[in-house]
Amino acid sequence: QVQLVQSGAEVKKPGSSVKVSCKASGVTFNSLTISWVRQAPGQGPEWMGEIIPVSETANCAQKFQDRVTITADESTRTAYMELSSLKYEDTAVYYCARGRLAVNWLDPWGQGTLVTVSS
Amino acid sequence: QSVLTQPPSVSGAPGQRVTISCTGSSSNIGADYDVHWYQQLPGTGPKLLIYANRNRPSGVPDRFSGSKSGTSASLAISGLQAEDEADYYCQSYDSNLRGYVFGIGTKVTVL
Repeated sequence: QVQLVQSGAEVKKPGSSVKVSCKASGVTFNSLTISWVRQAPGQGPEWMGEIIPVSETANCAQKFQDRVTITADESTRTAYMELSSLKYEDTAVYYCARGRLAVNWLDPWGQGTLVTVSS
Repeated sequence: QSVLTQPPSVSGAPGQRVTISCTGSSSNIGADYDVHWYQQLPGTGPKLLIYANRNRPSGVPDRFSGSKSGTSASLAISGLQAEDEADYYCQSYDSNLRGYVFGIGTKVTVL
C-alpha cells in the first residue's frame, strides 16, 4: 500500500523559507511523480508543481516559478518542496500527492503539513 | 479564482440524489483532458473519489458516479448518507497553464 508521510508543522516569519518533506513507502520511486498542492484556509486546493524523481525533472506552476523549488532523493524515496520569500498569504496546509506518468489524477495524498507565516 | 467552476454548496435529505457540476473551458475539460473528483472530510486531506471521468477506485461505493460532456463534468451521489457530508473538488489538466487545476469546491450537506 502506497503511503506518503510528510514532515511536521512549521511557523515561519515573512521573508523566510520553508522546506517540507514527503517520504514515500510501498512503491518504487521510479514509477511515480510527486505533486505538491496547497490549501489555504477555506479555499480549494492549488497545484504548485511536480517532480518526476527518476529523471529529476520538475515542473512548477507559473504562479510559483520564482519561489518554489521541488527536489527528490531517490535513495531515501523522499521528495521536498521549498518555498521562499514567504508571505502571510502563504499560510496553508501543504500536501504532497502521488501521480503517475501519463495519468493526471493524484492518489494517495500525504497527511498535510501546516505552514503558518506569522511575525 | 479557480479555473474550474463548482457550486459552493448542495444539500439533500438522506436517501436522495444530488449532483455537483464542474465547468471548465476549451483549455482543460473541453480539450478532452480527464476530470477527477476528490472527497475531503473535515480535518483530513483530499481522497480520490472518481478518476478519469467515471471510474471508482477500489473501496469507493457505487453510490458515487461521474460523467463528462463538452466543457463540463458532474459528480452524482445517490442514496445520500450522513457520512457523505464533506467538501468535493473536481480536478483536470489545463494546457494553457501547463498544470493541474482544481475547482473551488462544493460543500455537501445532508439535511
